Amino acid sequence: GAVVSQHPSWVICKSGTSVKIECRSLDFQATTMFWYRQFPKQSLMLMATSNEGSKATYEQGVEKDKFLINHASLTLSTLTVTSAHPEDSSFYICSASAAGGISEQYFGPGTRLTVT
Amino acid sequence: AQSVTQLGSHVSVSEGALVLLRCNYSSSVPPYLFWYVQYPNQGLQLLLKYTTGATLVKGINGFEAEFKKSETSFHLTKPSAHMSDAAEYFCAVSEGGATNKLIFGTGTLLAVQP
Repeated sequence: GAVVSQHPSWVICKSGTSVKIECRSLDFQATTMFWYRQFPKQSLMLMATSNEGSKATYEQGVEKDKFLINHASLTLSTLTVTSAHPEDSSFYICSASAAGGISEQYFGPGTRLTVT
Repeated sequence: AQSVTQLGSHVSVSEGALVLLRCNYSSSVPPYLFWYVQYPNQGLQLLLKYTTGATLVKGINGFEAEFKKSETSFHLTKPSAHMSDAAEYFCAVSEGGATNKLIFGTGTLLAVQP
């Protein structure tokens, strides 16, 4: 089956610093990647949708200048949390889809971000 | 706008008992419906999905779900619970198309008692 990896799986950073999270599709080309945020014991909230080579589309309420998304290739998307604060601590999950329509999203294992 | 409602944030069953996790949706177009399972500190794994065709969908690990348009429901069932089924379960809806966005329910934590 299709495999999506995320790196790192867990990161701790100090308040005010930036952290980059990578999402890779290992065995397929992902034309679309999605970034979700999940607070403890809550559901996944879609943050943004990115298509390879295009600017990401952010959901309402998500600060695009704080959460920078780059989808430079068909196998890699990155999420950079800039000037992180403790309230940014969360579980970030990416998913990748080979195409639109009813194409299935394959989820990465998630990245736990803790900002101290 | 689409939405998903999962009734019961926590469900507890005995090992060997029937599992029933409820999901209702709203969608302005024929929906694509999904059930995902999440184990602690892990991503999501697809259990099953409904797109078109047969309304009773069989998935992995013995789970199945039935799409009932008249009830706008897509409940997840498994005849006999196993200890390894203990996890968080999410129902999701997508309108497909170019965006392929998924809208998730709030999740149901399934506990299986020995």
